[in-house]
Amino acid sequence: KQEVTQIPAALSVPEGENLVLNCSFTDSAIYNLQWFRQDPGKGLTSLLLIQSSQREQTSGRLNASLDKSSGRSTLYIAASQPGDSATYLCAVRLTDSWGKLQFGAGTQVVVTP
Amino acid sequence: NAGVTQTPKFQVLKTGQSMTLQCAQDMNHEYMSWYRQDPGMGLRLIHYSVGAGITDQGEVPNGYNVSRSTTEDFPLRLLSAAPSQTSVYFCASSPMQFYGYTFGSGTRLTVV
Repeated sequence: KQEVTQIPAALSVPEGENLVLNCSFTDSAIYNLQWFRQDPGKGLTSLLLIQSSQREQTSGRLNASLDKSSGRSTLYIAASQPGDSATYLCAVRLTDSWGKLQFGAGTQVVVTP
Repeated sequence: NAGVTQTPKFQVLKTGQSMTLQCAQDMNHEYMSWYRQDPGMGLRLIHYSVGAGITDQGEVPNGYNVSRSTTEDFPLRLLSAAPSQTSVYFCASSPMQFYGYTFGSGTRLTVV
């Protein structure tokens, strides 16, 4: 069974520092990996989608890397801002015929001014 | 283009009552799913569908029913609400397996 782990569970950094969030998965048979952001009491906002054949994906200050063979993805957020404070979730899309998502538990990020 | 729309946003039920959580998408997506999110448990899959008339159970299906008569709608039914079903429920949709999922804004359900 696919297991998705996110470490650390919580992270606090001063404004301006770069954020590094980790996601690991046990089975490399995935279609893609998706990073989401969730603000308190809100829904999930998709940040980046990285296909299994890709090594990285970028959007503005965000960069996600994927190493499928080692079962790891990293989300980098450059020059963090207080508005980046949120919970970040990663999810892998399974290669079964149903295309289900398996989520990690998330990393709660606080960026202090 | 409204994306994924969930109604209601908040609901309080008494134990034993039934209700339907609505989910609709206007993107012609084939894949749709229901998740519940609980503190310390993360997001868990309840039911999912790969097209009209095709559904299956996820990780925590007990106490919930689904049906998919159209591509657009995927309602989740609670047959007899229990306090253990107090949670935040999210609906999500995706066009095909190589694409990402889009999530609704959620329904916060409290069963007393």
